[in-house]
Amino acid sequence: DSGVTQTPKHLITATGQRVTLRCSPRSGDLSVYWYQQSLDQGLQFLIHYYNGEERAKGNILERFSAQQFPDLHSELNLSSLELGDSALYFCASSVTGSGDTQYFGPGTRLTVL
Amino acid sequence: GDSVTQMEGPVTLSEEAFLTINCTYTATGYPSLFWYVQYPGEGLQLLLKATKADDKGSNKGFEATYRKETTSFHLEKGSVQVSDSAVYFCALSALRSNDYKLSFGAGTTVTVRA
Repeated sequence: DSGVTQTPKHLITATGQRVTLRCSPRSGDLSVYWYQQSLDQGLQFLIHYYNGEERAKGNILERFSAQQFPDLHSELNLSSLELGDSALYFCASSVTGSGDTQYFGPGTRLTVL
Repeated sequence: GDSVTQMEGPVTLSEEAFLTINCTYTATGYPSLFWYVQYPGEGLQLLLKATKADDKGSNKGFEATYRKETTSFHLEKGSVQVSDSAVYFCALSALRSNDYKLSFGAGTTVTVRA
């Protein structure tokens, strides 16, 4: 158990809908990262937050957004969902976000029908 | 940009066989290197890491040495068990645009048969 929690574990929804994925980092970690794992693109970095502020963006679509709250949990919002958004979404946390080890949560499996 | 190339799987072995998974990387500077493992239905777990050239990471019988001259970080285990069946990901972390992020290889699926 990495200490990173993600909810829900599974999510099934329809095209065009909007969903929110939640992540709670390990106690003491200030950084939260979001990754998408799909069969065709592998593991891709989406976005990084440090202590409530956006630090870096990767291959994140404009339909996706994220935020980190004062209690350091983070939410990833996916809107206008398409079939191709079906994937495993992982969050990871680290203490400083400056190259230290990232610890991953169990993931949320999103299925868009 | 940064990239990681892993040997393609799937790899199928018998118990107690020797396992090696090749990993090479492309990056400027001195990235940190990682191996993560994903067991069926679970998230990624850090297996081992190395932060500078010639460092050897080790854990649970697995080893990998950071070789800057060959830009490689091959994973090895001398005697695998059925419980080692999983997907293994090689990754690097480097400072880019004032931030660190992980870049992953495609993953190698390993199946160990009793």
